[in-house]
Amino acid sequence: DIVMTQSPSSLAVSAGETVTINCKSSQSLLSSGNQKNYLAWYQQKPGQSPKLLIYLASTRESGVPDRFIGSGSGTDFTLTISSVQAEDLADYYCQQHYSYPTFGAGTKLELK
Amino acid sequence: EVQLVESGGGLVQPGRSLKLSCVASGFTFSNYGMNWIRQAPGKGLEWVAYISSGSSYIYYAETVKGRFTISRDNAKNTLYLQMTSLRSEDTALYYCARGTTEGIVFAYWGQGTLVTVSS
Repeated sequence: DIVMTQSPSSLAVSAGETVTINCKSSQSLLSSGNQKNYLAWYQQKPGQSPKLLIYLASTRESGVPDRFIGSGSGTDFTLTISSVQAEDLADYYCQQHYSYPTFGAGTKLELK
Repeated sequence: EVQLVESGGGLVQPGRSLKLSCVASGFTFSNYGMNWIRQAPGKGLEWVAYISSGSSYIYYAETVKGRFTISRDNAKNTLYLQMTSLRSEDTALYYCARGTTEGIVFAYWGQGTLVTVSS
């Protein structure tokens, strides 16, 4: 199985700040055939189901605000949230979709 | 509007069986791969099983292989998860989720059904 390691496990922020969440995979998620990186990001608010934010490392799902930016390639990936808003406080998970899917342990974004 | 509604969860004793269902609406069910994903109380997400649109391809997580069976009925727009030999570590909220064309990515999720395995 591909192991996904997320950091930090929690993050306290103030509204308006820019935050970065990291995700590292135990093997490359870059397909040599099409040069696509098979990495997705999800947001889960308390008491709700997860919501897909980004797939293929940097493709924003329809309706997701452009302050959510995915980047990275190979084994190292980042979710950047620009100008954090109160509604962004949630748990964030990365997931590889290169092979049988596996998730990172999650990052809890809290208010400072 | 895409909707996924799970049912069938409950309290079950270790070693017993349970069958979950997920009824889909708002999209052409027979065109999409479907998944079960679970989340233990206060924990992270764990993918459980995948079934392709026509049931030709089925994959399981190692933790449930040999005990759980995923299936679907495209005529009824319904996804199933038959769970046998249940263990305490199977206690979780079970979500069904619709896939996309870009590998096993979970674009839409139900609200989940809670399975509690306890004596």
